[in-house]
Amino acid sequence: EPEVTQTPSHQVTQMGQEVILRCVPISNHLYFYWYRQILGQKVEFLVSFYNNEISEKSEIFDDQFSVERPDGSNFTLKIRSTKLEDSAMYFCASSKLQGRGGELFFGEGSRLTVL
Amino acid sequence: SQKIEQNSEALNIQEGKTATLTCNYTNYSPAYLQWYRQDPGRGPVFLLLIRENEKEKRKERLKVTFDTTLKQSLFHITASQPADSATYLCALDAGNNRKLIWGLGTSLAVNP
Repeated sequence: EPEVTQTPSHQVTQMGQEVILRCVPISNHLYFYWYRQILGQKVEFLVSFYNNEISEKSEIFDDQFSVERPDGSNFTLKIRSTKLEDSAMYFCASSKLQGRGGELFFGEGSRLTVL
Repeated sequence: SQKIEQNSEALNIQEGKTATLTCNYTNYSPAYLQWYRQDPGRGPVFLLLIRENEKEKRKERLKVTFDTTLKQSLFHITASQPADSATYLCALDAGNNRKLIWGLGTSLAVNP
């Protein structure tokens, strides 16, 4: 069964360093997302991406964050200068439907620890 | 502001019984609502989607209801099994195609 894959599964970084989280969405899906979940808290929307551009982003997704789909298969989230509060599990997701109500397929997540 | 609440206390039930989880929301009218399962340290897994014009949806041992007047969804697992033990998340669309707003989830433990 097709699945969303994410790398790395865990990354530890120093505050102020750049981090790139990578995702390979399901191949025939059209919409791509990043969500994050701080330990013990709700899943939070970061950004959605369609047709090679950002469709929507949340207040969390400030200038320190960027996304890219460099080669038609990978979908990356970059954090330019990490802060302690960026420590969280970052989930990539993809969906197929163009209309409303498409189920999301999530990867297993990348745990980011900022020291 | 938009708010989603799920029963915060963990639910413990005996194997074979029906588990019922609640999702309440305020301050908006979602077009659809989704339920996901999340195991510790893993990504959410989609279970069911119900639209605003649907009262009930079933899939095997799972049943979801959606009452837009009460602003509530109920999620039922019948004939529960220990393997159903997980956190169950409710998510609603925020009025557009692609952004979901999530509840904190309810932890379910099914005891053998």
